[in-house]
Amino acid sequence: GAGVSQSPSNKVTEKGKDVELRCDPISGHTALYWYRQSLGQGLEFLIYFQGNSAPDKSGLPSDRFSAERTGGSVSTLTIQRTQQEDSAVYLCASSLGPSSSGQFFGPGTRLTVL
Amino acid sequence: AQRVTQPEKLLSVFKGAPVELKCNYSYSGSPELFWYVQYSRQRLQLLLRHISRESIKGFTADLNKGETSFHLKKPFAQEEDSAMYYCALSGLEGNKLTFGTGTQLKVEL
Repeated sequence: GAGVSQSPSNKVTEKGKDVELRCDPISGHTALYWYRQSLGQGLEFLIYFQGNSAPDKSGLPSDRFSAERTGGSVSTLTIQRTQQEDSAVYLCASSLGPSSSGQFFGPGTRLTVL
Repeated sequence: AQRVTQPEKLLSVFKGAPVELKCNYSYSGSPELFWYVQYSRQRLQLLLRHISRESIKGFTADLNKGETSFHLKKPFAQEEDSAMYYCALSGLEGNKLTFGTGTQLKVEL
């Protein structure tokens, strides 16, 4: 079957604009994770969903960042009023259940804020 | 807090030589440890997890709780092993993975 997919693969935006990044997890995977990969910070956890609920949002760097998940499937990460420091690769991962033993990653969305 | 340290940013070895990628962790409890690999222009993929005690592509890793280490080893490096390797930990702080900064392995002919 298909793996985790993310869209768009690349996004270039101007400082101050809002962006939406989409993640389609593997069908049947109830857990979904967002991470950010940047040169200065490495791979950082952002938020975790179990079903449509987000029991752990501890990694969201500011209130400009939000995420939602609907139907226990697709998730959207929204960044409002983007800043240059938001430039990074945003990775989505999913796993069968609330355990990280089998997290499968998507290809990522490369966000560039000019 | 949970923390993962990979001291080497770049490791260069010759084909056929042994490889050891170092990983140390900080965690007060019983963590789950993983190695992920990212080949050029490919997505991040799971290589090994300590609970499986398996060997994948000739790589092994043993969890040493006394030394809080989870080093990745392979007796004979192959050219196709060239990639970025990340050590990761999952513990009581939710189900998130905490990653090290990664080690770029370069296998030279």
